Amino acid sequence: GDSVTQMEGPVTLSEEAFLTINCTYTATGYPSLFWYVQYPGEGLQLLLKATKADDKGSNKGFEATYRKETTSFHLEKGSVQVSDSAVYFCAPLDTGRRALTFGSGTRLQVQP
Amino acid sequence: GAVVSQHPSWVICKSGTSVKIECRSLDFQATTMFWYRQFPKQSLMLMATSNEGSKATYEQGVEKDKFLINHASLTLSTLTVTSAHPEDSSFYICSARPSSGLQYFGEQFFGPGTRLTVL
Repeated sequence: GDSVTQMEGPVTLSEEAFLTINCTYTATGYPSLFWYVQYPGEGLQLLLKATKADDKGSNKGFEATYRKETTSFHLEKGSVQVSDSAVYFCAPLDTGRRALTFGSGTRLQVQP
Repeated sequence: GAVVSQHPSWVICKSGTSVKIECRSLDFQATTMFWYRQFPKQSLMLMATSNEGSKATYEQGVEKDKFLINHASLTLSTLTVTSAHPEDSSFYICSARPSSGLQYFGEQFFGPGTRLTVL
């Protein structure tokens, strides 16, 4: 089945710093790729997605590009805010089961 | 749009009792819903895939007789933890995949989760 490797957290940054959270995956075929975010005390929310190679998903200043050659989907943001503090999950969509496989999650802490 | 609710949001029960958790898609139909378990500071573990009108598909290692899933309509799936024990204490999360709408390709919408504590 699919598997996901995310960089371990917590990642602690100062406000307005540049963010990168690495994500690599193994999968059969070419799955759609998702980043979900879980804010403290809340459920998971879709942050962005990409459905095919070289697609760039973007939302709320976050971006991630589907890199087929490196099987990666790294999340980036140019200037983080305190409100971005949350846990971020990378998740490819298993094309067979149509189910998401979640990475371990990366906790981001942004300090003022 | 695309809101998923779970009820209850938290429950405390005695060991040996059964607990039912409901997952509802409020403004869309979902042929498929998923049930996950999340341990503290860990990722989500898929327990089972719930299909409307048919039996659920359980992941390896998940006891289907302990975690009963019923998906009776296009907007409701239930998870019943039977004869709960302290080791079943966890955060249970459901998600629903819209039955239609190309803009939702592959996407799942998550409920807020239910925290179960078994004493």
